[in-house]
Amino acid sequence: GESVGLHLPTLSVQEGDNSIINCAYSNSASDYFIWYKQESGKGPQFIIDIRSNMDKRQGQRVTVLLNKTVKHLSLQIAATQPGDSAVYFCAEKNQAGTALIFGKGTTLSVSS
Amino acid sequence: ETGVTQSPTHLIKTRGQQVTLRCSSQSGHNTVSWYQQALGQGPQFIFQYYREEENGRGNFPPRFSGLQFPNYSSELNVNALELDDSALYLCASSLSGGHETQYFGPGTRLLVL
Repeated sequence: GESVGLHLPTLSVQEGDNSIINCAYSNSASDYFIWYKQESGKGPQFIIDIRSNMDKRQGQRVTVLLNKTVKHLSLQIAATQPGDSAVYFCAEKNQAGTALIFGKGTTLSVSS
Repeated sequence: ETGVTQSPTHLIKTRGQQVTLRCSSQSGHNTVSWYQQALGQGPQFIFQYYREEENGRGNFPPRFSGLQFPNYSSELNVNALELDDSALYLCASSLSGGHETQYFGPGTRLLVL
């Protein structure tokens, strides 16, 4: 079946540290993955995406790594700031290429 | 460029009633997808509309239905509301039947009493 999961429900870091949020997916045929950030009371906000023909993609302060061998996805946030505190979801496209399949999310707490 | 908007922001209904939620897609986007997010969970796909037709459906009963209009805006209708329908309902817009990145609106918080 299709499912996406995250390794840890919560992650606490100090301001300025680098954060790594992990995600495991089950569908080896998935070809598109996305990370979203969701702040309290808001909708998910697009952070970065990656296609299966890549193993790394960088954005502003964020990097996504894709390891297709072990079906693992990670989001790295450099110099984490209090404004990064939120719930982070990884998602993959379903086999039809229409819907996003989300995991349960990791809550990132940044203390200053 | 206008982002995805949803209305209303909050809604309270009683069991058995019907509700209609509305979504305006981001400028230039022709595809709208609806998701249900229960408290503490990730969003779950309800269905997607592309060119005014349903283009995929998740594991939701027929009392969840939708529409897409020529301007690409969309409605989600839920009949015979149940207590478990209490959730945040999210709309996401994208291009080309959802094969591109989906951008979410702020959601409608529905409480069923």
